[in-house]
Amino acid sequence: EPEVTQTPSHQVTQMGQEVILRCVPISNHLYFYWYRQILGQKVEFLVSFYNNEISEKSEIFDDQFSVERPDGSNFTLKIRSTKLEDSAMYFCASRRTGGGNQPQHFGDGTRLSIL
Amino acid sequence: AQSVAQPEDQVNVAEGNPLTVKCTYSVSGNPYLFWYVQYPNRGLQFLLKYITGDNLVKGSYGFEAEFNKSQTSFHLKKPSALVSDSALYFCAVRTNTDKLIFGTGTRLQVFP
Repeated sequence: EPEVTQTPSHQVTQMGQEVILRCVPISNHLYFYWYRQILGQKVEFLVSFYNNEISEKSEIFDDQFSVERPDGSNFTLKIRSTKLEDSAMYFCASRRTGGGNQPQHFGDGTRLSIL
Repeated sequence: AQSVAQPEDQVNVAEGNPLTVKCTYSVSGNPYLFWYVQYPNRGLQFLLKYITGDNLVKGSYGFEAEFNKSQTSFHLKKPSALVSDSALYFCAVRTNTDKLIFGTGTRLQVFP
């Protein structure tokens, strides 16, 4: 069964550095998402992306965050200048067309640790 | 505002016994509801969804969920729990802008 894949599985970065988290969505999916989960807390929506545009972003997704689909397969999340509070598990998700009743499928996540 | 509540942090059940993980929701309009499971160091795995139709929906691994509009609930159930069902379970509602809002999660522990 096709899966969403995320790399790296764990990223350790110094505060203030830029980090890029990478995702390969399921190949026939057109809607893409990033969520994050701070340790012990619930999963929070960051951003949704469709047709090469951001559809919606949360208040967490400030100017330090950006997303890009640089080619036909990858979907990236960039944090320009990381802060300690950016430490979390970041999940990429995708879904196919067919309306919102299609489930979002999640990758295994990237654990981001900011030192 | 749309929201999901999972009132139990943890549910303990003996193997072979039925299990229920509770979820209530608050939405405007018709709800699109989902259950996901998270195993250690893994992502969220889709279990089942309710969009419309039958109030009892069946999903993966023998799980099912009962939608109750009057009680605004969407409880996850399984007739006979397995030790391997032990994991973190999340209820979610899809908003009309296509994002998922998750509950706080319920840890299911199945004891042999």
